[in-house]
Amino acid sequence: GAVVSQHPSRVICKSGTSVKIECRSLDFQATTMFWYRQFPKKSLMLMATSNEGSKATYEQGVEKDKFLINHASLTLSTLTVTSAHPEDSSFYICSAKGTQTYEQYFGPGTRLTVT
Amino acid sequence: GIQVEQSPPDLILQEGANSTLRCNFSDSVNNLQWFHQNPWGQLINLFYIPSGTKQNGRLSATTVATERYSLLYISSSQTTDSGVYFCAVEKDFGNEKLTFGTGTRLTIIP
Repeated sequence: GAVVSQHPSRVICKSGTSVKIECRSLDFQATTMFWYRQFPKKSLMLMATSNEGSKATYEQGVEKDKFLINHASLTLSTLTVTSAHPEDSSFYICSAKGTQTYEQYFGPGTRLTVT
Repeated sequence: GIQVEQSPPDLILQEGANSTLRCNFSDSVNNLQWFHQNPWGQLINLFYIPSGTKQNGRLSATTVATERYSLLYISSSQTTDSGVYFCAVEKDFGNEKLTFGTGTRLTIIP
């Protein structure tokens, strides 16, 4: 149980375009979902927390207009990187937490490359 | 904010060896999890252990909350144990945000 999927697993886009990443909880309802960013050989940094049906809470230094987060249902959250630039290239990972657990469960990640 | 330091940063072992990974945190916590990030980037939940000791096969973990540290033990290492091990803590009850440690990169040599 507690499976989280992400799509796509890998995406390459041109500078200036927008990219949407989906995060789904497959076998539980996720009241809270989280988005992280990880640079090569570094730890995970929390970008934002989203609760179903409400606006996301962004960490200090994360541009909310650049990283749009939507948590439209109890099983789906999306992260849209708007007007992507090469410095946005990174590994993006989502996690989900349900009402029946204290643990966060992580998706497999999305590797974004902006050319 | 809370600081989470892991040691050692890198560890290279022969297959079959045992290891102890440490996680120190700078403040009291309500939640502590250990994860294994495999070479493809997937984080795998190992333990939810805000206090006490748990075991799962060749892995076990102990958290001494009053002294602000947790230990992950890996016995009889296998090459599939290679990857990065992270601890992550949740400081404020109900906040739910995890702060990740610096990680330990484990390499098991056949």
